[in-house]
Amino acid sequence: NAGVTQTPKFQVLKTGQSMTLQCAQDMNHNSMYWYRQDPGMGLRLIYYSASEGTTDKGEVPNGYNVSRLNKREFSLRLESAAPSQTSVYFCASNSGQGRGYGYTFGSGTRLTVV
Amino acid sequence: AQSVTQPDIHITVSEGASLELRCNYSYGATPYLFWYVQSPGQGLQLLLKYFSGDTLVQGIKGFEAEFKRSQSSFNLRKPSVHWSDAAEYFCAVGVPYSSASKIIFGSGTRLSIRP
Repeated sequence: NAGVTQTPKFQVLKTGQSMTLQCAQDMNHNSMYWYRQDPGMGLRLIYYSASEGTTDKGEVPNGYNVSRLNKREFSLRLESAAPSQTSVYFCASNSGQGRGYGYTFGSGTRLTVV
Repeated sequence: AQSVTQPDIHITVSEGASLELRCNYSYGATPYLFWYVQSPGQGLQLLLKYFSGDTLVQGIKGFEAEFKRSQSSFNLRKPSVHWSDAAEYFCAVGVPYSSASKIIFGSGTRLSIRP
């Protein structure tokens, strides 16, 4: 099925550990995004990639890094996890063109940092 | 910069009753407008979107939304809710022609259904 695939679905980390969240889309979309979702705060943009080879900071980038490996893949890395990074992380992609404009979301990664 | 306000954090309605979820946006021109729904433990699903033209937009699952430029609003409606509509609903605004095609989300409205 076409769409956005995120791995893993669940993860528990100890404070200070590192990990990479993976995201891949098969819709040939140019733009990709990482959001975090916390209760009462909606979705906040962490980083985004307007096109292959470019990345930019969003609203809450501190403590994260990203890599746009190719047009399909956009990964999010936590170098030294902190309890404040406990959240649900969503990856999304966007064709960014005409009436196809709009996000397709992955199913999310629920991350707990203890 | 654009922003989205959903003034209702939590709404409870009886099954079969009508529903209206409020959304106000801030942007200098007409943005792209969206409503997404998120069931517990799930990702976000697009209900409907407005780009231009007819201000009343029909979506999936019997939902509709009306764009009112004068009020900077894009409220979501459903004539008769079902228990399966219990979920969190997010209004969102996108900026046309921006290089990164970013979409900004409201903080969400949680909908509960009373049997």
